[in-house]
Amino acid sequence: EVQLVESGGGLVQPGGSLRLSCAASGFTLTSSWMHWVRQAPGEGLVWISRINTDGTTTNYADSVKGRFTISRDTAKNTLYLQMNSLRAEDTAVYYCGRGPGSHSENWGQGTLVTVSS
Amino acid sequence: QSALTQPASVSGSPGQSITLSCTGASSDIGAYNYVSWYQQHPGKAPKLMIYDVSDRPSGVSNRFSGSKSGNTASLTISGLQAEDEANYYCSSYTSSRILVFGGGTKLTVL
Repeated sequence: EVQLVESGGGLVQPGGSLRLSCAASGFTLTSSWMHWVRQAPGEGLVWISRINTDGTTTNYADSVKGRFTISRDTAKNTLYLQMNSLRAEDTAVYYCGRGPGSHSENWGQGTLVTVSS
Repeated sequence: QSALTQPASVSGSPGQSITLSCTGASSDIGAYNYVSWYQQHPGKAPKLMIYDVSDRPSGVSNRFSGSKSGNTASLTISGLQAEDEANYYCSSYTSSRILVFGGGTKLTVL
């Protein structure tokens, strides 16, 4: 059974950094594209980033390009999102998703990131 | 890349059929058959309902169907049930090699 478990969320000050993790089980990261999607409180879904099956291709939404980095550790079967220069508008629940490059078939339960002083 | 456009809310009665729309551009919905639809109940993670415009994942009811015409995609739910009440989001791959979501439609079952 495919399972995705996000962790690493919390309260961080503006300008700070945080690294989110997404532990995958039931499949290997080398077999799927992986995505990060976020949802601000009371708002809709926003796609943030994706990484391909061999880790050579990464794409980012304009809103996070240059500040966020998607990566993975295949030995740990874990996906990461390094978030730097955080802003109040980055406050959201962050979901990881598994699928082909065009959509997510499976989702984690999400981890909440709050950017506030 | 602008978000796709969805109506904020739609309502229907049990047993009815309703159609949710999702309007994009020639650089996203109009260019690729990579439109997907997600259902999200409050406080829950999204669930994939339709992918590649009209394909249904295993386990999703055949009451859900998808289509596309030009720059607009549609999700049709037939035989509306109380459990269908949720937020629905469309998404598309784009020419910028990124994905974009719509703002979401809140479906109310009267």
